Amino acid sequence: KAGVTQTPRYLIKTRGQQVTLSCSPISGHRSVSWYQQTPGQGLQFLFEYFSETQRNKGNFPGRFSGRQFSNSRSEMNVSTLELGDSALYLCASSSGSDTQYFGPGTRLTVL
Amino acid sequence: KQEVTQIPAALSVPEGENLVLNCSFTDSAIYNLQWFRQDPGKGLTSLLLIQSSQREQTSGRLNASLDKSSGRSTLYIAASQPGDSATYLCAVRGGSYIPTFGRGTSLIVHP
Repeated sequence: KAGVTQTPRYLIKTRGQQVTLSCSPISGHRSVSWYQQTPGQGLQFLFEYFSETQRNKGNFPGRFSGRQFSNSRSEMNVSTLELGDSALYLCASSSGSDTQYFGPGTRLTVL
Repeated sequence: KQEVTQIPAALSVPEGENLVLNCSFTDSAIYNLQWFRQDPGKGLTSLLLIQSSQREQTSGRLNASLDKSSGRSTLYIAASQPGDSATYLCAVRGGSYIPTFGRGTSLIVHP
């Protein structure tokens, strides 16, 4: 089985722009979670989607949003980018057994 | 609010040593605890998942224990190898089912 894939792997944007990141879960997995990882804050939960519905949301501003499609693929959007949004964004999928399988991440740099 | 602490933050050991990584959490009302490893610039790889009703899990040279009453988990690595060099993270799922991650233990195993 193919693992979790994330695109793009690297991204450079400037302040004020918006960005969309994509995540394709492992086939058959219906839960997709997103995380932000920075040296300062560590790994923080953004949100989780299950069957196209947001099931949980972390403590991030409304500039961070996401959605999940009927094929379980998920996208995350960040609007009005700030320098502090520079981070590794990780996506994880789960079949409901609680074990999460992570993708390689998207490295976002905001200039 | 759940807080997860991992001690030590960094560890350097010679090959062959048995070692213990610690994870402590402040709220004992948890669903499960998961241990991951992360290689530099990469995503996370799941190592072991312990449900709240379990006391330990084993996989190969790895053994993880959970003591909810004291808010602690340990990851035991037997006969360490250079390939074990990575950052080890623990994640606790609490009442909100949102996972909280520790900052990790950076492990170097030198030949």
